[in-house]
Amino acid sequence: KNEVEQSPQNLTAQEGEFITINCSYSVGISALHWLQQHPGGGIVSLFMLSSGKKKHGRLIATINIQEKHSSLHITASHPRDSAVYICAPEGYGGATNKLIFGTGTLLAVQP
Amino acid sequence: EPEVTQTPSHQVTQMGQEVILRCVPISNHLYFYWYRQILGQKVEFLVSFYNNEISEKSEIFDDQFSVERPDGSNFTLKIRSTKLEDSAMYFCASSGYEAFFGQGTRLTVV
Repeated sequence: KNEVEQSPQNLTAQEGEFITINCSYSVGISALHWLQQHPGGGIVSLFMLSSGKKKHGRLIATINIQEKHSSLHITASHPRDSAVYICAPEGYGGATNKLIFGTGTLLAVQP
Repeated sequence: EPEVTQTPSHQVTQMGQEVILRCVPISNHLYFYWYRQILGQKVEFLVSFYNNEISEKSEIFDDQFSVERPDGSNFTLKIRSTKLEDSAMYFCASSGYEAFFGQGTRLTVV
């Protein structure tokens, strides 16, 4: 079983749609990162969360530590949002500050 | 905007050769990491480095691999006697409050 589960694995949306990507994990963590990876490979950090909710432009990330679940929302999606979105908990099991990466969600936003 | 810089962006090497991947982390960060991503797979942790020594390493990080911070600014990953299965994208990251990733080095072993 994967330590970090993301859903959906693939998502196709029409421009303007509201998008939600979910992440669940199985043990305690100190923080959770949402990352974006474009074709060609570079990784960009979107959010780091340890509780509650954060917003940056059209992106919103939430985390429920008790339920071990986080979501990434994109409002008014645009084709330039097309990328792989990765959930990566930190401090997995309390003993480390490395990131454990989910398998990612491949998002395609069509015009 | 601070950034982590990796060189080279692409490296092709023959099987059995040694390669050194270079990274310049963000200057006031204390934790440095190497991750790798085999094509089509998820990103995997290799090693973390703190206070000039390895703080944690994965099962992947065997004797073939080594890291060092030779001059207080660069952070290098050395892969000795490369194998075909070492072909991957290698990412350097550094963290203070947030994690920052380099653009990656695509290593191809032929």
